[in-house]
Amino acid sequence: DIQVTQSPSSLSASVGDRVTFTCRASQSVSTYLNWYQQKPGKAPKLLIYAASTLQSGVPLRFSGSGSGTHFTLTISSLQPEDFATYYCQQSFSTPRTFGPGTRVEIK
Amino acid sequence: EVQLVQSGGGLVKPGGSLRLSCAVSGLTFNNAWMSWVRQAPGKGLEWVGHIKSKTNGGTTDYAAPVKGRFLVSRDDSKNTLYLQMNSLKTEDTAVYYCAPDSSGWSYFDYWGQGTLVTVSS
Repeated sequence: DIQVTQSPSSLSASVGDRVTFTCRASQSVSTYLNWYQQKPGKAPKLLIYAASTLQSGVPLRFSGSGSGTHFTLTISSLQPEDFATYYCQQSFSTPRTFGPGTRVEIK
Repeated sequence: EVQLVQSGGGLVKPGGSLRLSCAVSGLTFNNAWMSWVRQAPGKGLEWVGHIKSKTNGGTTDYAAPVKGRFLVSRDDSKNTLYLQMNSLKTEDTAVYYCAPDSSGWSYFDYWGQGTLVTVSS
């Protein structure tokens, strides 16, 4: 099975900050890597698929990059509605593993 | 508009069984691969399993913690996905979500509302 890790596990940031999260896979997943945002009590929301493709309706301040085993999600200017938990997920093979998440908190 | 409406959660004793349903509209269900994802209280997301479309063999795959206990099935005539959960353990307590695997990239862009399963004596 492919293991997925994320770093950091949490971070504190201010509105307007540029923040970057990292996701690593235990073996190459090519660009079969997706990013989700989840707020408490809500279903996850797809932000990025295929490592770098922005889902329709997602603000342009979100961007993804990477391939193989190393991926990043960047928010160029953090907004109040972006405080949430972010998960990456590999869809290269089954089981379709999620990372443990990065929680973004208000500084 | 794609809609996934879940039902069937609740409280069950350890060792018991429960069946979840996910009624799907707004997409060509018989062509969709469908997944279940769960989230234990205060924890992260965990993929549970999926079922391929019948044109892709209709086969299933499962995560190790549920393999042999959970069964994913589908009724294409009713546009409905099921998760039969047997031999339930306290660690199966979670909110369960259904979601279609979208396109060849298998991302989840639509989700059910989630249903809580509590396994407790």
